Amino acid sequence: DTGVSQDPRHKITKRGQNVTFRCDPISEHNRLYWYRQTLGQGPEFLTYFQNEAQLEKSRLLSDRFSAERPKGSFSTLEIQRTEQGDSAMYLCASSPQGLQTQYFGPGTRLLVL
Amino acid sequence: SQQGEEDPQALSIQEGENATMNCSYKTSINNLQWYRQNSGRGLVHLILIRSNEREKHSGRLRVTLDTSKKSSSLLITASRAADTASYFCATDAYGGANSKLTFGKGITLSVRP
Repeated sequence: DTGVSQDPRHKITKRGQNVTFRCDPISEHNRLYWYRQTLGQGPEFLTYFQNEAQLEKSRLLSDRFSAERPKGSFSTLEIQRTEQGDSAMYLCASSPQGLQTQYFGPGTRLLVL
Repeated sequence: SQQGEEDPQALSIQEGENATMNCSYKTSINNLQWYRQNSGRGLVHLILIRSNEREKHSGRLRVTLDTSKKSSSLLITASRAADTASYFCATDAYGGANSKLTFGKGITLSVRP
């Protein structure tokens, strides 16, 4: 399967713990996006990479959140000191240069107890 | 913040009927996209319409865009039980290097066999 993959698919953690999610975009897609989706809502933009450069971060991305894309391929999203309000589906999407269509992964569902 | 507002919030129809979903947005856009999301899964791109287009077709899908009213509609003809999903409109304000999407809250479509 050559689609966007995310790992893990589900994560349960206790409040205060750190978690890290991984996203592998479609090969040769230079743009990578992270979104967060809570129950009954549409996805909300978190951050965007073009190759390895993080070009935009939403105000939703507090200091506890950090994202990287070190070699311009896979990306990681880390949440430090998780809070119950961080419980959500974290979606990754990628897009090739010149196209506005985004291809989404299956998401990582996070539950913070 | 979410730009798009879909209408209705929920729609239940019989298999074979047409489903019409509407979306309104607030700011100028470069393009508008519709995505489908099956329960607990990632989003699947359905169709993209650019701001200079008024209507577009793809298989059983027909999308219209009225930039003067800042609204779009998605028509699914001859619906099938497999069309049961949540549908989101997403706007792209820039269309260039930073094509982040702003999603609405979504419409839950239920197609009864």
